[in-house]
Amino acid sequence: GAGVSQTPSNKVTEKGKYVELRCDPISGHTALYWYRQSLGQGPEFLIYFQGTGAADDSGLPNDRFFAVRPEGSVSTLKIQRTERGDSAVYLCASSSYGRPTTDTQYFGPGTRLTVL
Amino acid sequence: AQSVAQPEDQVNVAEGNPLTVKCTYSVSGNPYLFWYVQYPNRGLQFLLKYITGDNLVKGSYGFEAEFNKSQTSFHLKKPSALVSDSALYFCAVRVDNSGNTPLVFGKGTRLSVIA
Repeated sequence: GAGVSQTPSNKVTEKGKYVELRCDPISGHTALYWYRQSLGQGPEFLIYFQGTGAADDSGLPNDRFFAVRPEGSVSTLKIQRTERGDSAVYLCASSSYGRPTTDTQYFGPGTRLTVL
Repeated sequence: AQSVAQPEDQVNVAEGNPLTVKCTYSVSGNPYLFWYVQYPNRGLQFLLKYITGDNLVKGSYGFEAEFNKSQTSFHLKKPSALVSDSALYFCAVRVDNSGNTPLVFGKGTRLSVIA
């Protein structure tokens, strides 16, 4: 079946601009996660959705970052007033939420964000 | 706080030889451990996980990992490496509790299998 998809695959923007990154999870998966992967590092947790609600947003670095999942499927990560330090690969993952801590998370290919 | 260490940035192995990619973890509570592989310009692919039970876990593509509680390790192994195994490997941990805890990743180990 179809995996997690993310669009765009690449996004180049200028400092100060607003960007939206989209994630389409595996059909039927109720849990959705966003991670950020900087060069030479492992992915770092940003936010977790269970259904439509953000169950844990403790990883969001500041209030310029926001994510929504209005219908419990597709999610959008929104970054306001982008800074060069926001440049990274943004990964989305989903899981079926049988039991959140043991469920396998399945990752999308990521969106590479470059802020000039 | 939970953490994962992958002590080797790079592992080189000859094709056909056994490979080991090391991972140690630190958690307060019972750990759930995962290995993922990342190929260039692709997302992370799940290889295997340890939740409970047998300490030796078998996963995709002939990989296996052994959970060692006393050494707090979860090393990834394969008896005979293939050139196609060359990729970036990530170990990750979550701790068992009643709510959600983030999946915490190591920095990754780049495996290079030489023909």
